[in-house]
Amino acid sequence: GAVVSQHPSWVICKSGTSVKIECRSLDFQATTMFWYRQFPKQSLMLMATSNEGSKATYEQGVEKDKFLINHASLTLSTLTVTSAHPEDSSFYICSARRGSGTDTQYFGPGTRLTVL
Amino acid sequence: RKEVEQDPGPFNVPEGATVAFNCTYSNSASQSFFWYRQDCRKEPKLLMSVYSSGNEDGRFTAQLNRASQYISLLIRDSKLSDSATYLCVVNSAAGGTSYGKLTFGQGTILTVHP
Repeated sequence: GAVVSQHPSWVICKSGTSVKIECRSLDFQATTMFWYRQFPKQSLMLMATSNEGSKATYEQGVEKDKFLINHASLTLSTLTVTSAHPEDSSFYICSARRGSGTDTQYFGPGTRLTVL
Repeated sequence: RKEVEQDPGPFNVPEGATVAFNCTYSNSASQSFFWYRQDCRKEPKLLMSVYSSGNEDGRFTAQLNRASQYISLLIRDSKLSDSATYLCVVNSAAGGTSYGKLTFGQGTILTVHP
């Protein structure tokens, strides 16, 4: 089956630092990757859609200068939370779509970010 | 109005019970529909896709009513391991670069007890 990994699985950092989260598709090439955020007791909210080789498309209300997304290859997308603050503490989950002819997304295991 | 709405529950049922979850969506142009399962502090996992003709996978039956913009999930003979949050998910994009954009409902919590 399609496997998506995320690294790190959890991270604790001080307020004001930047945190980079990696999302990799291990056994397929992902033309599109998605980044979601989930706060406690809430559902997943799409933050941005990342297409390989082009700029990410951000959802309304998501600051593109704060959440930097890079999708430099067909197997890797990164999300950098810049100048993180406690309110950025959340569960960040990526997903990858195999190609343009399918809407099936394969989810990574998530990264739990805690900003002190 | 939320794009995808679910009864958050929680549903507490004994083993062996039958439980049904409902979901409504607001975008009539939505193309694909899914039920995902999410365990505590884990990523969501696809349970099943939902088709207009209805589909069944073992103890799980999903139904879609496009006219009413309504989706359901029926779980028969509940097991302890069915305890999780069930997410109704809709692909609301008809095509183009947004194809594959999923919108999640807030989830329905199910607890199956002995």
